[in-house]
Amino acid sequence: AQSVAQPEDQVNVAEGNPLTVKCTYSVSGNPYLFWYVQYPNRGLQFLLKYITGDNLVKGSYGFEAEFNKSQTSFHLKKPSALVSDSALYFCAVRDPVRDGGYNKLIFGAGTRLAVHP
Amino acid sequence: EAEVAQSPRYKITEKSQAVAFWCDPISGHATLYWYRQILGQGPELLVQFQDESVVDDSQLPKDRFSAERLKGVDSTLKIQPAELGDSAMYLCASSSRGELFFGEGSRLTVL
Repeated sequence: AQSVAQPEDQVNVAEGNPLTVKCTYSVSGNPYLFWYVQYPNRGLQFLLKYITGDNLVKGSYGFEAEFNKSQTSFHLKKPSALVSDSALYFCAVRDPVRDGGYNKLIFGAGTRLAVHP
Repeated sequence: EAEVAQSPRYKITEKSQAVAFWCDPISGHATLYWYRQILGQGPELLVQFQDESVVDDSQLPKDRFSAERLKGVDSTLKIQPAELGDSAMYLCASSSRGELFFGEGSRLTVL
């Protein structure tokens, strides 16, 4: 079965420091992987996705993520954190073979990022 | 920029009452999703439509929840009767080229 794990409930980082939010996945085939961000009482906003090609994908607001097939991971990264990056981050996976083309995303439980001044 | 519209943003109701949420997806998006997000958890898919047809409702509690998308455009999610455990954010999304676009959500509080 498809699943996504975000092992950290919360990540704390000082402003200006690099940040990493971890995600591992389990699918039967080649995954499509996504990161979304959620601000309080708001919907989810798309950050970036990996479908195929270069393992390092760049997204919105200076975020990037690295796909590692051997470790089944898709960690979100940013070289220099901003206080305004503080939010809830969700990793999601799609198994395009199993979902019959219906674009079904399975989300992780989320990681709260707190960036301190 | 086109957005997914949802209403109401907030709803407070008493248990055993009926409640309904409405979603208008981005124009041209054939796929529409309803997700439930309990506080502190990730979104859980309740139902997925392709045009007017349900393609996945395996996680929808069908004894009390119903969803429809009669003309393949906007959609309504209904809960009757509401229970305390239904308190959550209900998120609607539509998709194009593999990317989901979410609305602002409808936060339900059941007292």
